[in-house]
Amino acid sequence: DVKVTQSSRYLVKRTGEKVFLECVQDMDHENMFWYRQDPGLGLRLIYFSYDVKMKEKGDIPEGYSVSREKKERFSLILESASTNQTSMYLCASFAPGQGNEKLFFGSGTQLSVL
Amino acid sequence: AQTVTQSQPEMSVQEAETVTLSCTYDTSENNYYLFWYKQPPSRQMILVIRQEAYKQQNATENRFSVNFQKAAKSFSLKISDSQLGDTAMYFCAFMKPWGAQKLVFGQGTRLTINP
Repeated sequence: DVKVTQSSRYLVKRTGEKVFLECVQDMDHENMFWYRQDPGLGLRLIYFSYDVKMKEKGDIPEGYSVSREKKERFSLILESASTNQTSMYLCASFAPGQGNEKLFFGSGTQLSVL
Repeated sequence: AQTVTQSQPEMSVQEAETVTLSCTYDTSENNYYLFWYKQPPSRQMILVIRQEAYKQQNATENRFSVNFQKAAKSFSLKISDSQLGDTAMYFCAFMKPWGAQKLVFGQGTRLTINP
């Protein structure tokens, strides 16, 4: 089975800190995603990547950046954390064109910004 | 742009009952994928069922089945003989089969199965 690992399950940071959320997948998937989950809003796409060093903005990229230096790792960066970035963050990976498309998810990072 | 709407924020049923979760979507595409994901308290997203729009037959997975109405852009999930372990958030999602493939999610439905 595909394994998508997020480095932290819970994270508490202070306003203005630079925050790194790390995600690693072990199945050589080309596509990786960062979603944010908030009650009543479902999952919203922040950024995604189709290949190493490639990135595309999702629906809510403001205040975030990403890095994909290696195929298996996709990092989400909060340059200056703010309280409205308190949320659950979910990473996912995906291999297109295999005829059984589905996203595999990590178990999420609950981030609190104080 | 595609949108997905789940109009039931919360639902609650008794164990062994059948429950149907609603989902509608908006797209101009003719072919696409639709999904139902389950998120139990562990937070792990689990794929429940997947439907390809060009297939007219409704997908089924054991106690889970969908009612896919392409013309109405409706994709409801039916859970038969509900079990306590079905208690979770359920998300409906849409994906194009080409180009910028990404999942577009609905708002979610919190389902509680009562003993």
